[in-house]
Amino acid sequence: EDQVTQSPEALRLQEGESSSLNCSYTVSGLRGLFWYRQDPGKGPEFLFTLYSAGEEKEKERLKATLTKKESFLHITAPKPEDSATYLCAVLNQAGTALIFGKGTTLSVSS
Amino acid sequence: DSGVTQTPKHLITATGQRVTLRCSPRSGDLSVYWYQQSLDQGLQFLIQYYNGEERAKGNILERFSAQQFPDLHSELNLSSLELGDSALYFCASSVAGLAGNEQFFGPGTRLTVL
Repeated sequence: EDQVTQSPEALRLQEGESSSLNCSYTVSGLRGLFWYRQDPGKGPEFLFTLYSAGEEKEKERLKATLTKKESFLHITAPKPEDSATYLCAVLNQAGTALIFGKGTTLSVSS
Repeated sequence: DSGVTQTPKHLITATGQRVTLRCSPRSGDLSVYWYQQSLDQGLQFLIQYYNGEERAKGNILERFSAQQFPDLHSELNLSSLELGDSALYFCASSVAGLAGNEQFFGPGTRLTVL
Protein backbone atom coordinates (compact mmCIF):
# COMPACT_ATOMS: atom_id res chain seq x y z
CA GLU A 1 0.00 0.00 0.00
CA ASP A 2 1.29 3.45 -0.91
CA GLN A 3 2.04 5.34 2.28
CA VAL A 4 3.67 8.54 3.52
CA THR A 5 4.79 9.16 7.10
CA GLN A 6 6.06 12.51 8.34
CA SER A 7 8.00 13.26 11.49
CA PRO A 8 7.98 14.96 13.83
CA GLU A 9 4.30 15.91 14.05
CA ALA A 10 5.25 19.26 15.52
CA LEU A 11 8.52 21.18 15.77
CA ARG A 12 9.30 24.33 17.70
CA LEU A 13 12.41 26.30 16.76
CA GLN A 14 13.99 29.55 17.78
CA GLU A 15 14.65 32.02 15.00
CA GLY A 16 17.94 31.05 13.36
CA GLU A 17 17.90 27.47 14.69
CA SER A 18 18.25 25.17 11.68
CA SER A 19 16.56 21.77 11.56
CA SER A 20 15.12 19.11 9.26
CA LEU A 21 11.71 17.58 8.66
CA ASN A 22 11.44 13.96 7.60
CA CYS A 23 9.15 12.26 5.09
CA SER A 24 9.41 8.50 4.66
CA TYR A 25 7.46 6.83 1.90
CA THR A 26 6.41 3.44 0.63
CA VAL A 27 5.50 3.29 -3.03
CA SER A 28 6.56 1.00 -5.83
CA GLY A 29 8.47 2.94 -8.44
CA LEU A 30 8.55 6.52 -7.20
CA ARG A 31 7.10 8.84 -9.85
CA GLY A 32 7.48 12.02 -7.85
CA LEU A 33 7.71 13.35 -4.28
CA PHE A 34 6.15 16.71 -3.51
CA TRP A 35 6.46 19.24 -0.70
CA TYR A 36 3.69 21.70 0.06
CA ARG A 37 3.36 24.42 2.67
CA GLN A 38 0.00 25.09 4.34
CA ASP A 39 -0.74 28.17 6.42
CA PRO A 40 -3.63 28.08 8.91
CA GLY A 41 -6.99 28.49 7.20
CA LYS A 42 -5.50 28.30 3.71
CA GLY A 43 -4.95 25.72 1.01
CA PRO A 44 -1.59 24.03 0.49
CA GLU A 45 0.98 25.88 -1.59
CA PHE A 46 3.41 23.99 -3.82
CA LEU A 47 7.09 24.11 -2.90
CA PHE A 48 9.09 21.37 -4.67
CA THR A 49 8.93 18.21 -6.76
CA LEU A 50 11.72 15.62 -6.57
CA TYR A 51 11.93 12.66 -8.91
CA SER A 52 15.06 10.62 -8.22
CA ALA A 53 17.37 9.71 -5.35
CA GLY A 54 20.13 12.25 -4.91
CA GLU A 55 18.09 15.12 -6.28
CA GLU A 56 18.05 18.39 -4.32
CA LYS A 57 16.04 21.57 -4.72
CA GLU A 58 16.31 24.88 -2.91
CA LYS A 59 14.07 27.86 -2.32
CA GLU A 60 15.17 30.63 0.01
CA ARG A 61 15.80 28.99 3.42
CA LEU A 62 14.37 25.61 2.36
CA LYS A 63 16.21 22.71 0.76
CA ALA A 64 14.56 19.41 -0.12
CA THR A 65 16.54 16.22 -0.62
CA LEU A 66 15.53 12.72 -1.68
CA THR A 67 16.81 9.21 -1.02
CA LYS A 68 15.30 5.88 -2.03
CA LYS A 69 13.22 5.70 1.14
CA GLU A 70 12.78 9.23 2.44
CA SER A 71 12.95 12.92 1.83
CA PHE A 72 14.16 15.70 4.08
CA LEU A 73 13.14 19.32 4.15
CA HIS A 74 16.04 21.26 5.63
CA ILE A 75 15.27 24.68 7.05
CA THR A 76 18.30 26.92 7.46
CA ALA A 77 18.17 29.88 9.85
CA PRO A 78 14.35 29.91 9.97
CA LYS A 79 12.32 33.05 10.52
CA PRO A 80 8.89 33.38 12.19
CA GLU A 81 7.29 33.67 8.73
CA ASP A 82 8.41 30.09 8.03
CA SER A 83 5.88 28.90 10.61
CA ALA A 84 3.38 26.65 8.82
CA THR A 85 2.44 23.03 8.30
CA TYR A 86 4.66 21.29 5.76
CA LEU A 87 3.06 18.48 3.81
CA CYS A 88 4.84 15.75 1.90
CA ALA A 89 3.14 13.72 -0.83
CA VAL A 90 4.01 11.02 -3.33
CA LEU A 91 2.36 10.12 -6.59
CA ASN A 92 0.68 6.76 -6.15
CA GLN A 93 1.87 3.69 -8.02
CA ALA A 94 -0.76 4.17 -10.72
CA GLY A 95 0.30 7.79 -11.16
CA THR A 96 -3.27 8.97 -10.71
CA ALA A 97 -3.29 10.64 -7.31
CA LEU A 98 -1.18 12.31 -4.64
CA ILE A 99 -0.88 10.48 -1.32
CA PHE A 100 -0.25 13.01 1.45
CA GLY A 101 1.36 12.59 4.84
CA LYS A 102 -0.27 14.18 7.87
CA GLY A 103 2.28 16.97 7.93
CA THR A 104 4.74 18.59 10.31
CA THR A 105 3.63 21.78 12.01
CA LEU A 106 6.59 24.12 12.38
CA SER A 107 6.56 27.03 14.82
CA VAL A 108 9.43 29.50 14.75
CA SER A 109 9.63 32.05 17.54
CA SER A 110 11.70 35.22 17.61
CA ASP B 1 -3.66 33.99 -4.11
CA SER B 2 -3.58 30.76 -6.15
CA GLY B 3 -6.26 31.86 -8.60
CA VAL B 4 -8.55 29.00 -7.55
CA THR B 5 -11.81 30.09 -5.96
CA GLN B 6 -14.15 28.07 -3.77
CA THR B 7 -17.57 28.87 -2.40
CA PRO B 8 -18.92 28.94 0.17
CA LYS B 9 -16.12 29.51 2.67
CA HIS B 10 -18.11 28.02 5.53
CA LEU B 11 -21.12 25.72 5.54
CA ILE B 12 -23.07 24.52 8.55
CA THR B 13 -25.78 21.93 8.06
CA ALA B 14 -27.51 19.02 9.75
CA THR B 15 -27.13 15.28 9.45
CA GLY B 16 -29.03 13.79 6.54
CA GLN B 17 -28.87 16.95 4.46
CA ARG B 18 -27.30 17.52 1.04
CA VAL B 19 -24.86 20.30 0.14
CA THR B 20 -23.01 21.48 -2.96
CA LEU B 21 -19.51 22.92 -2.93
CA ARG B 22 -18.30 24.95 -5.89
CA CYS B 23 -14.85 25.42 -7.37
CA SER B 24 -13.54 27.61 -10.18
CA PRO B 25 -10.06 26.62 -11.42
CA ARG B 26 -7.28 28.97 -12.45
CA SER B 27 -7.72 30.46 -15.88
CA GLY B 28 -6.41 27.98 -18.43
CA ASP B 29 -6.35 24.96 -16.10
CA LEU B 30 -8.28 21.96 -17.38
CA SER B 31 -7.98 19.65 -14.37
CA VAL B 32 -9.86 19.95 -11.10
CA TYR B 33 -9.11 17.82 -8.05
CA TRP B 34 -11.17 17.50 -4.86
CA TYR B 35 -9.64 16.72 -1.48
CA GLN B 36 -10.97 16.22 2.04
CA GLN B 37 -8.84 17.29 5.01
CA SER B 38 -9.65 16.16 8.53
CA LEU B 39 -7.53 16.17 11.67
CA ASP B 40 -7.28 12.40 11.92
CA GLN B 41 -7.01 11.46 8.23
CA GLY B 42 -5.00 14.34 6.83
CA LEU B 43 -5.44 15.47 3.23
CA GLN B 44 -7.13 12.78 1.14
CA PHE B 45 -7.75 12.76 -2.60
CA LEU B 46 -11.38 12.28 -3.58
CA ILE B 47 -11.75 12.69 -7.34
CA GLN B 48 -10.27 14.37 -10.42
CA TYR B 49 -11.93 15.78 -13.52
CA TYR B 50 -10.13 16.73 -16.70
CA ASN B 51 -11.86 18.86 -19.32
CA GLY B 52 -15.28 17.69 -18.22
CA GLU B 53 -14.52 13.99 -17.87
CA GLU B 54 -13.79 11.99 -14.72
CA ARG B 55 -10.07 11.13 -14.77
CA ALA B 56 -9.31 9.46 -11.43
CA LYS B 57 -11.10 8.40 -8.29
CA GLY B 58 -9.75 8.15 -4.77
CA ASN B 59 -11.46 7.27 -1.52
CA ILE B 60 -14.71 8.98 -2.40
CA LEU B 61 -17.85 7.74 -0.69
CA GLU B 62 -20.86 6.69 -2.77
CA ARG B 63 -22.83 9.49 -1.05
CA PHE B 64 -20.47 11.99 -2.69
CA SER B 65 -20.43 12.91 -6.36
CA ALA B 66 -18.83 15.55 -8.51
CA GLN B 67 -19.00 17.01 -11.97
CA GLN B 68 -17.13 19.49 -14.13
CA PHE B 69 -19.10 21.80 -16.37
CA PRO B 70 -18.27 23.12 -19.88
CA ASP B 71 -16.93 26.36 -18.38
CA LEU B 72 -14.58 24.09 -16.33
CA HIS B 73 -15.96 24.98 -12.93
CA SER B 74 -16.67 21.98 -10.74
CA GLU B 75 -19.15 21.05 -8.05
CA LEU B 76 -18.85 18.48 -5.30
CA ASN B 77 -22.17 17.17 -4.03
CA LEU B 78 -22.35 15.60 -0.57
CA SER B 79 -25.57 13.88 0.42
CA SER B 80 -27.00 12.05 3.43
CA LEU B 81 -24.46 13.92 5.50
CA GLU B 82 -23.03 12.37 8.65
CA LEU B 83 -21.16 13.93 11.55
CA GLY B 84 -17.95 12.37 10.24
CA ASP B 85 -18.21 14.34 7.00
CA SER B 86 -17.28 17.50 8.88
CA ALA B 87 -13.97 18.56 7.38
CA LEU B 88 -12.20 21.04 5.14
CA TYR B 89 -12.82 20.41 1.45
CA PHE B 90 -10.22 21.69 -0.98
CA CYS B 91 -10.29 22.02 -4.69
CA ALA B 92 -7.09 22.19 -6.70
CA SER B 93 -6.41 22.75 -10.37
CA SER B 94 -3.61 22.05 -12.82
CA VAL B 95 -2.97 22.80 -16.45
CA ALA B 96 -2.90 19.23 -17.71
CA GLY B 97 -4.45 15.95 -16.68
CA LEU B 98 -1.57 14.41 -14.79
CA ALA B 99 -1.78 14.29 -10.99
CA GLY B 100 1.96 14.90 -10.87
CA ASN B 101 1.60 18.36 -12.40
CA GLU B 102 1.87 21.25 -9.97
CA GLN B 103 -1.51 21.61 -8.32
CA PHE B 104 -2.83 24.98 -7.18
CA PHE B 105 -5.16 24.78 -4.20
CA GLY B 106 -8.11 26.96 -3.38
CA PRO B 107 -8.83 28.38 0.09
CA GLY B 108 -11.19 25.54 0.98
CA THR B 109 -14.74 25.13 2.25
CA ARG B 110 -15.15 24.29 5.92
CA LEU B 111 -18.14 21.96 6.33
CA THR B 112 -19.66 21.45 9.74
CA VAL B 113 -22.36 18.80 10.13
CA LEU B 114 -24.38 19.08 13.34
